[in-house]
Amino acid sequence: SQQGEEDPQALSIQEGENATMNCSYKTSINNLQWYRQNSGRGLVHLILIRSNEREKHSGRLRVTLDTSKKSSSLLITASRAADTASYFCATDAGGAQKLVFGQGTRLTINP
Amino acid sequence: EPEVTQTPSHQVTQMGQEVILRCVPISNHLYFYWYRQILGQKVEFLVSFYNNEISEKSEIFDDQFSVERPDGSNFTLKIRSTKLEDSAMYFCASRKGQGLGNEQFFGPGTRLTVL
Repeated sequence: SQQGEEDPQALSIQEGENATMNCSYKTSINNLQWYRQNSGRGLVHLILIRSNEREKHSGRLRVTLDTSKKSSSLLITASRAADTASYFCATDAGGAQKLVFGQGTRLTINP
Repeated sequence: EPEVTQTPSHQVTQMGQEVILRCVPISNHLYFYWYRQILGQKVEFLVSFYNNEISEKSEIFDDQFSVERPDGSNFTLKIRSTKLEDSAMYFCASRKGQGLGNEQFFGPGTRLTVL
């Protein structure tokens, strides 16, 4: 089954604006993690939110989690050109705690 | 800050050849993973490893794949006879422990190109 589906698939905004990306999943989770990937590069861990948390902040990042709707959102405030990247949510559903990734949102920040 | 490292960064091989991808997880981490990402697609789980054995593997991880932790620091992924469709970015990841809030940290990846 598809777990961790992001929307939109692509988002293009002006520098300084806020960017919101959403993620939906299907099964119960231990936590949900957001990663950034610059083109062709590695995955950079941004933030983890546990299943018993509803909101978390880290710098310009704000993540929410609604376990009743099985959804999460990532908000990047005051976007910068350097935020241009693909953003993935990944769910940790227990057991060996492998991560199941979505297709990602390709974010472009226009200067 | 400790990080996961991977070598080589890029590996080109001929179809049918064996390749070994190497990873050095973060030193006090106990859980190790391999994922792959075919160009333009999402990251897919291959295998997890804990306490010197595989704890879970995906359907992608068939008999052509194997993992090993030959010493206290390295974690390797071997593909015995590479196919064209094995061309992908391979990521190693590690995690400290279990529980609700343990991040997985990823290495920079090895880009495998099978010709």
